[in-house]
Amino acid sequence: DAKTTQPPSMDCAEGRAANLPCNHSTISGNEYVYWYRQIHSQGPQYIIHGLKNNETNEMASLIITEDRKSSTLILPHATLRDTAVYYCIVRDPLGSARQLTFGSGTQLTVLP
Amino acid sequence: DTGVSQNPRHKITKRGQNVTFRCDPISEHNRLYWYRQTLGQGPEFLTYFQNEAQLEKSRLLSDRFSAERPKGSFSTLEIQRTEQGDSAMYLCASLVGDLLFRETQYFGPGTRLLVL
Repeated sequence: DAKTTQPPSMDCAEGRAANLPCNHSTISGNEYVYWYRQIHSQGPQYIIHGLKNNETNEMASLIITEDRKSSTLILPHATLRDTAVYYCIVRDPLGSARQLTFGSGTQLTVLP
Repeated sequence: DTGVSQNPRHKITKRGQNVTFRCDPISEHNRLYWYRQTLGQGPEFLTYFQNEAQLEKSRLLSDRFSAERPKGSFSTLEIQRTEQGDSAMYLCASLVGDLLFRETQYFGPGTRLLVL
């Protein structure tokens, strides 16, 4: 699976949009971008995933650049409960590696 | 609550003792994963089951570690002769794949192990 690069930490004001970047310059054509988050002392939680089109669900939006070498997770109206470590993972769901490979992620702190 | 449960939630043991953790996945999920997470790091893959078959093991899974999923339902992870380096959060996740490649792994709350 391709390697990802994320900033180690970010702050965001409550009620504002949080934009979390991820670089995945070595992504291959079959690989999807997945985002998970982990709130302190809990297991990781799936947020969203995409291949090349932008995606939106009830939790977030995922913007993938046209060359697919980077993406941005957008939390449109961040709340204090969105404070968590956010992981960007690139993988081929039909590939031989069935597991998720987590990096260090981005610690998002939502400030009141 | 994701529907995946793990027991115990916390375990303190002395070096050299054996410990066993249990994971109960979501009932219709045929795939089950174990991960280990140390402080400040993302989860690291340990092993993976499809139904009762253990299909993949990480090199992190030394011979002191063994995992089972006897009837394709719950799973156990045993660590023999624990070492202080085994102190970590042990996470279980389950999923059922779908045609949309959601590959949504549902994680349990984890078991935090402290080896003294």
